[in-house]
Amino acid sequence: GAGVSQSPRYKVAKRGQDVALRCDPISGHVSLFWYQQALGQGPEFLTYFQNEAQLDKSGLPSDRFFAERPEGSVSTLKIQRTQQEDSAVYLCASSTTKGLNTEAFFGQGTRLTVV
Amino acid sequence: QKEVEQDPGPLSVPEGAIVSLNCTYSNSAFQYFMWYRQYSRKGPELLMYTYSSGNKEDGRFTAQVDKSSKYISLFIRDSQPSDSATYLCASIQGAQKLVFGQGTRLTINP
Repeated sequence: GAGVSQSPRYKVAKRGQDVALRCDPISGHVSLFWYQQALGQGPEFLTYFQNEAQLDKSGLPSDRFFAERPEGSVSTLKIQRTQQEDSAVYLCASSTTKGLNTEAFFGQGTRLTVV
Repeated sequence: QKEVEQDPGPLSVPEGAIVSLNCTYSNSAFQYFMWYRQYSRKGPELLMYTYSSGNKEDGRFTAQVDKSSKYISLFIRDSQPSDSATYLCASIQGAQKLVFGQGTRLTINP
């Protein structure tokens, strides 16, 4: 596609509900990233995939957060038993490079509101 | 303390003014520095990146890095209302992970 596509754009979840957020990276992009952006803050790193391998998940805030990219293309970020503090914009980014990441392209994000 | 610190503003200037946006960082290992622009309800888009100390110019935008003082700057000349956005500075940790500042919200008034 023309850019990184994320769905849904907006998600309202009741506290305790599980949610799944989808990211379609730019075709052929090897690297895929998830970031969390709280209101008024910069994005915070969650996790990184190179093809289907999850090479870094150090930013996942708890074991309620799980990400996968089984075929090295589309990725899903799953949050179990959502809490109010999970409310944020979840950004996906992709890049062509396996090496130094100087140009990552971001999607528009999924705005998650937990009520 | 965050590894990249940025004044959140907001910053409001008249059209045509020169804008100066600044960040500081604490990790001496940081070598690459980026500036992203983020419009409301959009994802960040890369404006430019620089390596180590020095200046880089792209049209109306100039990025400047001073590693001795761990200071990063972005200058916007002849600012336009379309430049109104949040500007995020960032560096790379471990080759892949972007570490962002808080972002500065900028408004250019016509």
